[in-house]
Amino acid sequence: QVQLHQWGAGLLKPSETLSLTCVVSGGSFSGYYWTWIRQPPGKGLEWIGEINHTGGKNYSPSLKSRITISVDTSKNQFSLKLTSVTAADTAVYYCARTIVGATGAFDIWGLGTMVTVSS
Amino acid sequence: QSALTQPRSVSGSPGQSVTISCTGTSSDVGGYNFVSWYQQHPGKAPKVLIYDVSKRPSGVPDRFFGSKSDNTASLTISGLQAEDEADYYCCSYEGSHTFHLVFGGGTKLTVL
Repeated sequence: QVQLHQWGAGLLKPSETLSLTCVVSGGSFSGYYWTWIRQPPGKGLEWIGEINHTGGKNYSPSLKSRITISVDTSKNQFSLKLTSVTAADTAVYYCARTIVGATGAFDIWGLGTMVTVSS
Repeated sequence: QSALTQPRSVSGSPGQSVTISCTGTSSDVGGYNFVSWYQQHPGKAPKVLIYDVSKRPSGVPDRFFGSKSDNTASLTISGLQAEDEADYYCCSYEGSHTFHLVFGGGTKLTVL
């Protein structure tokens, strides 16, 4: 059974860089798009971006200047970096798998990582 | 402000049906058949219920039905059960950029 295990720093100061990693276990890493999504406390979901096993990627236009999503196929993992964070970046960050052949359909999710930006 | 508009809340009694709407534009919901729906219980990760407007992943009961008309997508839940009480989000491909996905603001479903 495919599982996503994610980790990263949970408390950041303004202007620091958020760094999260998600490792895939129990299934294939190739052939899928792997996605990051966030959810501010009490608010809705926001798509951040995605990457596939060959490094093909798509980013949210509103975050594109600050984000980098990378992949390490040798470790079956993908990572998110978000630079120059502010309080507005405080959110639960989820990694997820996109259903093969579908768009915007995420069938496997990590448990989420709460990231708080505070001075 | 979310790109897709959903009602903040809906409610229904056990056994009844409810419909949640998701209104966008011709650049997203109306222009593509890439609408998905998610259910989220408090403190949990979302779960996909519907994708590509009306497809159900394996394991999702056929009580959940997705449809679309013009710029509005809908999720209908029939035979309401207590465990259906949750937040529901729609998601759509948005075609005015290279690749972009947008979510609705979410709808709180209360089972009376």
